[in-house]
Amino acid sequence: DTEVTQTPKHLVMGMTNKKSLKCEQHMGHRAMYWYKQKAKKPPELMFVYSYEKLSINESVPSRFSPECPNSSLLNLHLHALQPEDSALYLCASSQNRGGQPQHFGDGTRLSIL
Amino acid sequence: GDSVTQMEGPVTLSEEAFLTINCTYTATGYPSLFWYVQYPGEGLQLLLKATKADDKGSNKGFEATYRKETTSFHLEKGSVQVSDSAVYFCALSPSNDYKLSFGAGTTVTVRA
Repeated sequence: DTEVTQTPKHLVMGMTNKKSLKCEQHMGHRAMYWYKQKAKKPPELMFVYSYEKLSINESVPSRFSPECPNSSLLNLHLHALQPEDSALYLCASSQNRGGQPQHFGDGTRLSIL
Repeated sequence: GDSVTQMEGPVTLSEEAFLTINCTYTATGYPSLFWYVQYPGEGLQLLLKATKADDKGSNKGFEATYRKETTSFHLEKGSVQVSDSAVYFCALSPSNDYKLSFGAGTTVTVRA
């Protein structure tokens, strides 16, 4: 069983919709991450939060907006996405920003119509 | 920069066969090394890790040894099962760093 929980598991949305992905961990970790994974490829880092503050943004388009309401929760707000944004979105956490290993959730599979 | 190279797949094996997936890395200093596994329709699970030279990580019958002299971290399992069918990613992280550099992934299919 994964200790990082992501909802929803699947999401289909149109290009004009607004939706949010949610991630929760109860391991007391203080660093949380968003990754994007295309089929048959390794995950690509999008954002890093450390102690609830955005620490790293890997030049992600503004149509992706992360939020960390508290140390256990991480959201990814989506707006005006493009078909090429269809992918598996993975959340991960670690003890702190320099700490390894990272623990991953099962992801949200996103399809943009 | 840091990078990981792992053997191209896909790899197809029969049950009880021996599995080896080669992984080599380029990094400065003393990175930590990991193998992650991704089963169909799931996220990544940490399979094993090693944090210094000559460390051996092991889990679920899988093993890998951190070889600094050959900059390698090859994954091995002596007798695979159908349930081992998955994509395996080798990864490294520099010391005290958030970055996780992944290899391209190797798809393994085990046939009954």
